Amino acid sequence: QLQLQESGPGLVKPSETLSLTCTVSGGSITINNYYWDWIRQPPGKGLEWMGSIYYSGSTYYNPSLKSRVTISIDTSKNQFSLKLSSVTAADTAVYFCARHGHHFDVGAWGQGTLVTVSS
Amino acid sequence: QSVLTQPPSVSAAPGQKVTISCSGSSSNIGNNYVSWYQQLPGTAPKLLIYENNKRPSGIPDRFSGSKSGTSATLGITGLQTGDEADYHCVTWDNSLSAGVFGGGTKLTVL
Repeated sequence: QLQLQESGPGLVKPSETLSLTCTVSGGSITINNYYWDWIRQPPGKGLEWMGSIYYSGSTYYNPSLKSRVTISIDTSKNQFSLKLSSVTAADTAVYFCARHGHHFDVGAWGQGTLVTVSS
Repeated sequence: QSVLTQPPSVSAAPGQKVTISCSGSSSNIGNNYVSWYQQLPGTAPKLLIYENNKRPSGIPDRFSGSKSGTSATLGITGLQTGDEADYHCVTWDNSLSAGVFGGGTKLTVL
């Protein structure tokens, strides 16, 4: 069974870069026709798609975050990663890694990790 | 302000039926598939409906989805207290070239 697990610091200082990694187990990250996502949810608020990556390395970013977001993939480790630069308190959220199919149906999710931006 | 519009909350009694709407535009719902997710408190969202009206294996047929024009609807029949959760609609927006979510709807089973 496919499992996704986020890892990374739970506390980041303002203006610094948030870095998270998602480790995929129970399946290959190089599977065709699936995309790997980062999605976040500020406390008490709705979900926001941040971006996606295909195993080939092609990336798609939310225009509202594009200047600050970088998603990369390491197929040898079955992992993909998120970097969000110049963070502020507004970036405090639970960050989920996930996988979606051709029609943007997100069928697999990590448990989520809370990242707090604070000095 | 979410691109897709959902009611903030809905409620109904156990055993009853409830519908949750998701309104968008021609650049998103009007030309793309919609999926729906259930998010229990403190957990990750779970796929309930994909491609407008299909259920993944293991999702009971009490849950249904439909789409008409630029709106989509999630229906839940035979409500149970365990259905209390937040429900989210999602689709792709061709103009934004981005995945877009509704703001989420909190279901209360009275």
